[in-house]
Amino acid sequence: VQLVESGGGLVQPGGSLKLSCAASGLTFSGSAVHWVRQASGRGLEWVGRMSSKDNTYATTYAASVKGRFTISRDDSKNTAYLQMNSLKTEDTAVYYCTRQIQEIVAAPAAIPFDYWGRGTLVTVSS
Amino acid sequence: QSVLTQPPSVSGAPGQTVTISCTGSSSNLGAGYDLSWYQQFPGTAPKLLIYANTNRPSGVPDRFSGSKSGTSASLAITGLQAEDEADYYCQSYDSSLRGYVFGTGTKVTVL
Repeated sequence: VQLVESGGGLVQPGGSLKLSCAASGLTFSGSAVHWVRQASGRGLEWVGRMSSKDNTYATTYAASVKGRFTISRDDSKNTAYLQMNSLKTEDTAVYYCTRQIQEIVAAPAAIPFDYWGRGTLVTVSS
Repeated sequence: QSVLTQPPSVSGAPGQTVTISCTGSSSNLGAGYDLSWYQQFPGTAPKLLIYANTNRPSGVPDRFSGSKSGTSASLAITGLQAEDEADYYCQSYDSSLRGYVFGTGTKVTVL
């Protein structure tokens, strides 16, 4: 049972990068997928999420990345993606994907993030 | 600039009880949104510790317990052990931000 992120690396400011999150051994298609990041020595920051097909694949994003980052998913491949454009130095962080097995619209925090990947490091620097 | 505030650090001797607070506002905890707690060791991914304010996933020792009241919540670790030395984060949802939020994080040190 695991989530595995990939695609991290070094990119220049203003550049783009696409991260992948591959799921194995766990229910993925009916779950919401979230991305969370953590700058070195800092706390966790929620980046955004994509709902399941049952919830129309709805997406929401943190204000800090809205308009620059896009989450997508391919349930046939048990994989989610984070497309990051117009990257800034402050986007440098380890990016984790995590699963929320169910979404309850009236109680969005009732279901926790139960499985997490190990993370992939994104460094934005010239 | 997290909307959930935690003390930067707490410490205790083995066997003692430590409590970590998580203070929010009327748009998150005070609005009735549930709270989860995560434990994170250096260089590793967070691990779910408590969900829906008071519930422990299977495999989490009953030394860990959560509570929530109004705009605040707490995580208690009773019978503190050396292996509990880690960072702890609370997490909820904020209606003003229309997104999920994490606390500022607390480092637990076992003396």
